Order: sequence, then C-alpha cells, then structure tokens
Amino acid sequence: NAGVMQNPRHLVRRRGQEARLRCSPMKGHSHVYWYRQLPEEGLKFMVYLQKENIIDESGMPKERFSAEFPKEGPSILRIQQVVRGDSAAYFCASSSNRALGLTGELFFGEGSRLTVL
Amino acid sequence: ELKVEQNPLFLSMQEGKNYTIYCNYSTTSDRLYWYRQDPGKSLESLFVLLSNGAVKQEGRLMASLDTKARLSTLHITAAVHDLSATYFCAVDANYGGSQGNLIFGKGTKLSVKP
Repeated sequence: NAGVMQNPRHLVRRRGQEARLRCSPMKGHSHVYWYRQLPEEGLKFMVYLQKENIIDESGMPKERFSAEFPKEGPSILRIQQVVRGDSAAYFCASSSNRALGLTGELFFGEGSRLTVL
Repeated sequence: ELKVEQNPLFLSMQEGKNYTIYCNYSTTSDRLYWYRQDPGKSLESLFVLLSNGAVKQEGRLMASLDTKARLSTLHITAAVHDLSATYFCAVDANYGGSQGNLIFGKGTKLSVKP
C-alpha cells in the first residue's frame, strides 16, 4: 500500500511565477490536508479537503493560494505570483474515515520543497 | 487560540543517557500526537495519546499524557545515535472529534553523540 505521494519533491521558481504542488493520498483515504513548514518551525495547517469540497481553509493565506481535490486525480496546491516568503516545505497528509474517527491520525507525504529566487 | 510549546528546542545527549522532552498546550484537547522527522524527510507517527493518563512505549521511547496539566512527555531511555532526529508534538485543535487540524510545537532537535 503506497503512502502519500507528493510531487515534485523540489521546485524552484522565480518571484512572480506560479507553483503547483500535487498530492495523491493513500489508497482508501478521502481526507486530504496541506501543511506548510518554514525553516526551523513546526508544521502549520493550511487547508482540509475531501473530494470536490474544501472543508476548512482557515489556515490558507487570503490571496494567491488555492487548493483543490477533484473527483479524479491528485489534490493540487497552487501558489500564484510566488514571493520569497513562500519558500518552505509543503506537506500533504491524508486520512480515512476510520482513522479520523478513531484517533485523528494523519499520514504525511515526504513534502515538496519550494524555493523562490 | 490553542498554542503548543515544546522544550527544550535543542537537545544534545550522550549515548546511554536518559532525557525527557516536554510538550505543554494551552487549551483543552483530547488528542495528542508525537511525530519524528529526519532531515529532508516526512513525519513519522510515533504515538497517539487519547486519554488522560495514557502511556505508550515503543523501544527506547515512552510517551505519556496528563490532560489536566495539559502536558505530555516523551522520555528517552539509554539513547542511541539512531534516535537523532527532530521530534514534534501536535495537538488536535478540535475537541470532541478530529478534523485533522493539528497544532504543532516547534520541535525538539535531538542529537545523540557517542
């Protein structure tokens, strides 16, 4: 059973470009989360999605950031007009109805490291 | 607003020694998690603590939870070099039912030296 798959693992963008990060949850998981980790910091919640629905986006910056989890295909975190402050590791996590109900445990991918020049 | 504080943030230990990492949180929560992260890698789930007085052990690591004191500890026994990593505690922001919104501490960077 493959884990949470993220790509690209590393992404370099110049200021003003767009960054797209992709996440395929574990098989059987319908809950997807995006977290951001700045250097030497803990992870910070950004958004929680289920298929075709955004459940909680309370941690998303109001501008330039968007997320989707379409009926088919991976979840996408999109950052438009990137700035240097967007440089971070972006982690995707997934969970199942059962895991959420029992323990709330999340399973994390290896992250996508964005560098903005 | 729920806040999670870990201490120490940096810990240098000698092999064979014992030490404890502390995790305090500011408001009521009923789920606490410990994760391990190696440099450039993902977060590996170590422990899930769901009730007051919960204690879990895996190898040289033991985690406990005191919900009344809003405190969790991660105790390391007879440290070995392989335990060198960053350890995060995280608390579920939703009391009474998880929505996957975890509040993380800043992490404790553990270095075990021979």
